[in-house]
Amino acid sequence: TQLLEQSPQFLSIQEGENLTVYCNSSSVFSSLQWYRQEPGEGPVLLVTVVTGGEVKKLKRLTFQFGDARKDSSLHITAAQPGDTGLYLCARDSNYQLIWGAGTKLIIKP
Amino acid sequence: DTAVSQTPKYLVTQMGNDKSIKCEQNLGHDTMYWYKQDSKKFLKIMFSYNNKELIINETVPNRFSPKSPDKAHLNLHINSLELGDSAVYFCASGTNAYEQYFGPGTRLTVT
Repeated sequence: TQLLEQSPQFLSIQEGENLTVYCNSSSVFSSLQWYRQEPGEGPVLLVTVVTGGEVKKLKRLTFQFGDARKDSSLHITAAQPGDTGLYLCARDSNYQLIWGAGTKLIIKP
Repeated sequence: DTAVSQTPKYLVTQMGNDKSIKCEQNLGHDTMYWYKQDSKKFLKIMFSYNNKELIINETVPNRFSPKSPDKAHLNLHINSLELGDSAVYFCASGTNAYEQYFGPGTRLTVT
């Protein structure tokens, strides 16, 4: 099974702090997606990374795809309460997505 | 202008009943999906439909059956509901497997 491991499982920090969450796999994948899910809602696509070493920025969020295409990270600068949510990574596999278990992030005001 | 919509939002029912969840997308996507999210928030794909043809059918009980009357709709029918079916069910759509757009979810509680 081509599992995705996300770490940490849970993170609670104060507003204004920086943080990084990780998504790792033992196998190479052609693309990886990051989603954010807020309570009571469905996951929302944030970004897709496809090239090893690729870096994409979405306002205060920076996504990086590892050079070997086995891992990815999400860095949030100056976190805000609105960043609170469940961050999920997903990889493509045979026309479907394989999902990580997510990082639950809480930003305290 | 809802992209992917599901009804109902909440569904409470007793064991043994049969229920359906409806899903509609207005994005013009070719593929629609059903996911089950358990209490630990793990997303597990159940089915996907591409142009009215089932292309993925994970090892879910045959009490679950997807029905797609047209490209914009993929409904989920569940027979003989069990306690373990309690979860949040998400419908999603996409043009490829890599970028999917999710509905708001249906929280199913079986008592």
